[in-house]
This record gives sequence, C-alpha cells and structure tokens, in this order.
Amino acid sequence: GQQVQQSPASLVLQEGENAELQCNFSSTATQLQWFYQSPGGSLVSLLSNPSGTKHTGRLTSTTVTKERRSSLHISSSQTTDSGTYLCALNYGSSGNKLIFGIGTLLSVKP
Amino acid sequence: DPKIIQKPKYLVAVTGSEKILICEQYLGHNAMYWYRQSAKKPLEFMFSYSYQKLMDNQTASSRFQPQSSKKNHLDLQITALKPDDSATYFCASSQDSSQNTLYFGAGTRLSVL
Repeated sequence: GQQVQQSPASLVLQEGENAELQCNFSSTATQLQWFYQSPGGSLVSLLSNPSGTKHTGRLTSTTVTKERRSSLHISSSQTTDSGTYLCALNYGSSGNKLIFGIGTLLSVKP
Repeated sequence: DPKIIQKPKYLVAVTGSEKILICEQYLGHNAMYWYRQSAKKPLEFMFSYSYQKLMDNQTASSRFQPQSSKKNHLDLQITALKPDDSATYFCASSQDSSQNTLYFGAGTRLSVL
C-alpha cells in the first residue's frame, strides 16, 4: 500500500539551530501537507506543498515529486517549535483522505 | 477560541459499552472527517462526509458509525467497545471535499478498560 516514511525519527537541537526534516513517499501524490502536533496532541497545518518550494515564516518546504520526497526546513529553531512534525499525502482519492507518516519528534533545548 | 469543538476531551469506557464522541465545527466548512491516532501508530483516516453525506469509509468495523444531525456536526458512535479501540480520535474539517487544508479539533482520548 501507499506509505509515508519520515526521518529522522527524532531530533534534538539547541535553540537557534536549523532543522531539516525529510518525508519520502511510495508513489506520486496529488496533495502533500506538513502538520505540527504539539506535545499536548493538537494538530495544526503548516504548509501545503505538492510540488516545488514554499515558504512561510521560518519554514521552507521543498517537494521533488519525481523523486517522491519532501523536506521541511525550520530556521532559527525556538523552544516553542518542540513537538512532532507530520507529513501527510493524498494519493488522488476524493476528499481529504490523507495518509500520514509517523512523524519526526523535535526537541529544541534552551 | 477553538473553531472545532470535540467533546469530551477524555473518555474512559468499559469493554462492551457504547460511547458517542461529539464534534462541532464553526468554520463554515462543508466537509468533515474522523481520524484516529493509536499509540505508536500514524494518524489513520476513518470517514469523510461532505454536505452531511458519507464520501469515504476506511473503517472495517460497523461498530463505528458517524452521525451528522446538522451540517456542522459529525459525531462518532462506537458500539461494543474493545480495548483495541483505545486511541485519540480527531475530528477535522475542510472547506469542501476537494483537497483543501485540513483543520483539526483537539481530539478525544478514549481509553477502553
């Protein structure tokens, strides 16, 4: 079946360092979103980026569709960035039936 | 203020019982969804509804029944609860059933003893 692989599984940074998170997927997706899940469990959509490069604030996502990979770059990390970053894809089915990766757990130390 | 309200936040149930998880959204969206997150597993799609009609069902068990009494409501009834049903259940919505940004509620954490 369709799969979403994320790496690394976890990442520890000092405040101010940059983070690079990876998402690899098994077949071409029509929709790709990055989500943030807080330590308390709430989910927030960060970026929708099925192809190319998109920026928002300190976040940059680059998706190379042919190579079936996407990255999320977080610049100048802050302690409040700590949490789990999830990559999710839609493989062309109707509606928002997203397939999620297990996530990257980011911990930013002061 | 949260725009997608899920109730209750925490729920403890005994095996074999029935529970209803409540979801209301105030974003004016036409599509609503249920996802489930079990321990150590990825978020898993369960159902999608558009204009109160079922669009997609990925839940094998008929013990899980969504109920949409109003356009902005999508409750989830779970019958004959099992310990394996223990998970956090997230309600979500989007503007419509095309591939829009998904907005999630805070979740209901269900524990079945």
